[in-house]
Amino acid sequence: DVKVTQSSRYLVKRTGEKVFLECVQDMDHENMFWYRQDPGLGLRLIYFSYDVKMKEKGDIPEGYSVSREKKERFSLILESASTNQTSMYLCASKAGARLLQETQYFGPGTRLLVL
Amino acid sequence: KQEVTQIPAALSVPEGENLVLNCSFTDSAIYNLQWFRQDPGKGLTSLLLIQSSQREQTSGRLNASLDKSSGRSTLYIAASQPGDSATYLCAVNMNTGFQKLVFGTGTRLLVSP
Repeated sequence: DVKVTQSSRYLVKRTGEKVFLECVQDMDHENMFWYRQDPGLGLRLIYFSYDVKMKEKGDIPEGYSVSREKKERFSLILESASTNQTSMYLCASKAGARLLQETQYFGPGTRLLVL
Repeated sequence: KQEVTQIPAALSVPEGENLVLNCSFTDSAIYNLQWFRQDPGKGLTSLLLIQSSQREQTSGRLNASLDKSSGRSTLYIAASQPGDSATYLCAVNMNTGFQKLVFGTGTRLLVSP
């Protein structure tokens, strides 16, 4: 089974702090994604990566950056956390473009509260 | 811009009922459509994936249909059980170079014993 793990289930941070959310997958997937999920807005794509050191902006990249130094690990960085970044953050991974019929596999999520 | 809508937003049924969840999308240029399940406070689990060339997919008590030309999909759940209680999300995979999913806001289902 594909396993996607996220470093924390719950996080509480203060406004202005630098926040790192880590995601690791064990299936050698090329593609990894970060979403945030908010009531009434659904899941929105923040960033995704299709290879090591490669990244693409999603729909709402403002206030976030990402890092992918190793294939299995994709980090989401909040450079200076703000209260409007309080949300549920979900990481996902997926096999490469040649397997378009494959689904995305999701981690359990990190619920972040910024005070 | 692709928009995905799910109706109803919430649904409460007694155990044993058959039910239908609806998903509509505005841009028919999709590669595939997926249905996911999300339990409270958890990540998403893929239930069914329908390619744009397919009309339906079945897995156990679940059946998903796709009418790409009209921008609609339905998820049919037969003989519902309390364990089916969860939020069901529909997502379309846009026919672009990357596998970008556009999600609906979900239907929250409660099945009472």
